Amino acid sequence: GQQLNQSPQSMFIQEGEDVSMNCTSSSIFNTWLWYKQDPGEGPVLLIALYKAGELTSNGRLTAQFGITRKDSFLNISASIPSDVGIYFCAGPLVGGGSNYKLTFGKGTLLTVNP
Amino acid sequence: SAVISQKPSRDICQRGTSLTIQCQVDSQVTMMFWYRQQPGQSLTLIATANQGSEATYESGFVIDKFPISRPNLTFSTLTVSNMSPEDSSIYLCSVDRASRETQYFGPGTRLLVL
Repeated sequence: GQQLNQSPQSMFIQEGEDVSMNCTSSSIFNTWLWYKQDPGEGPVLLIALYKAGELTSNGRLTAQFGITRKDSFLNISASIPSDVGIYFCAGPLVGGGSNYKLTFGKGTLLTVNP
Repeated sequence: SAVISQKPSRDICQRGTSLTIQCQVDSQVTMMFWYRQQPGQSLTLIATANQGSEATYESGFVIDKFPISRPNLTFSTLTVSNMSPEDSSIYLCSVDRASRETQYFGPGTRLLVL
């Protein structure tokens, strides 16, 4: 099946450092989504990517849709304590009906030390 | 994005009982989905809630255990039936409002089954 391999599983960084995480798949995705989940909350959409090679920013966050359509990365610059949370990549399952069903990576747990 | 609310936000239930979770959206949406997030895990799609017809369940999930209603374009319910401790999870509804394979999530319902 179509699975997303997300890495790293967890990160411990100092405030002000930059962060990079990525997702890869053996299958092609037409859309890449990045979500953040705070403790006790539902996932919040950070960035959506719809085109191979697309580079999109949202404040200190930057994400890119890999040119092969099989990977994506998310960068966070100048991290702050409120960046703490779990970051998930996701993409819609392709083929066999609706393209709206999302598959999720296992998440990257980010801890920022003040 | 969409404003999505879920009720209850959390509950503690006894095994063998059932709980119905409500999901309300602030405007009409085409697609509504239900996910389960087991402790420390990623999100797994339970089913797609279809308006006016039976829900479409993913492999490993059945209607008898997770009956779903979708009476209109802004509301859906998920029932967790005959609960066991293994059903302790966060249950999340999501909607696809932009029709671009992008989903927005509710805040989740935290269920603990004793």
